[in-house]
Amino acid sequence: AQSVTQLDSQVPVFEEAPVELRCNYSSSVSVYLFWYVQYPNQGLQLLLKYLSGSTLVKGINGFEAEFNKSQTSFHLRKPSVHISDTAEYFCAVSEPLDGQNFVFGPGTRLSVLP
Amino acid sequence: NAGVMQNPRHLVRRRGQEARLRCSPMKGHSHVYWYRQLPEEGLKFMVYLQKENIIDESGMPKERFSAEFPKEGPSILRIQQVVRGDSAAYFCASSPGSSRNTIYFGEGSWLTVV
Repeated sequence: AQSVTQLDSQVPVFEEAPVELRCNYSSSVSVYLFWYVQYPNQGLQLLLKYLSGSTLVKGINGFEAEFNKSQTSFHLRKPSVHISDTAEYFCAVSEPLDGQNFVFGPGTRLSVLP
Repeated sequence: NAGVMQNPRHLVRRRGQEARLRCSPMKGHSHVYWYRQLPEEGLKFMVYLQKENIIDESGMPKERFSAEFPKEGPSILRIQQVVRGDSAAYFCASSPGSSRNTIYFGEGSWLTVV
């Protein structure tokens, strides 16, 4: 069964600093990987996804993530954050042949400080 | 998440009442997922449905909770005899039938049991 770990429950960072939000997964088969962002009192928006091909995936709002199969990781990065990036970030995994079940990590709360 | 419509956005129920949450998937999507997010917790999968068919309800509580996705109309998540512990945000997501590798979320329904 799949599982997703997001080691950092909260990440405070100053505006314009770089940030990395960590995500590790466990699965015995190949996977699809996703990052979603949730702003307060809103639903989840898709930031980016890895399905196949290039392991470096670029998403919206200047975010990118890199799939590392050997380390079973899919860390999210942004070189320079804005106040508006303050939100909850969720990593998710699904298996291509079992695409109905998306498993989400517990989330990381990113707080961008002025 | 544009296109997945959930209503009501906010619902207040007294203990013992019934709560009905509705979800209309994005146009052209025939797969619906329901997730629950408890305060300060991540997303927990509840149920996955296609039209007129429950595919996976492994995340649904055994009692009081039910879901349907009729041939016509929205998907309904029904909670009977609500208790305070049911207070949470309930998110619906949808995906296309032919390509299930990404799911798109609605804005959520916030249930408060008083």
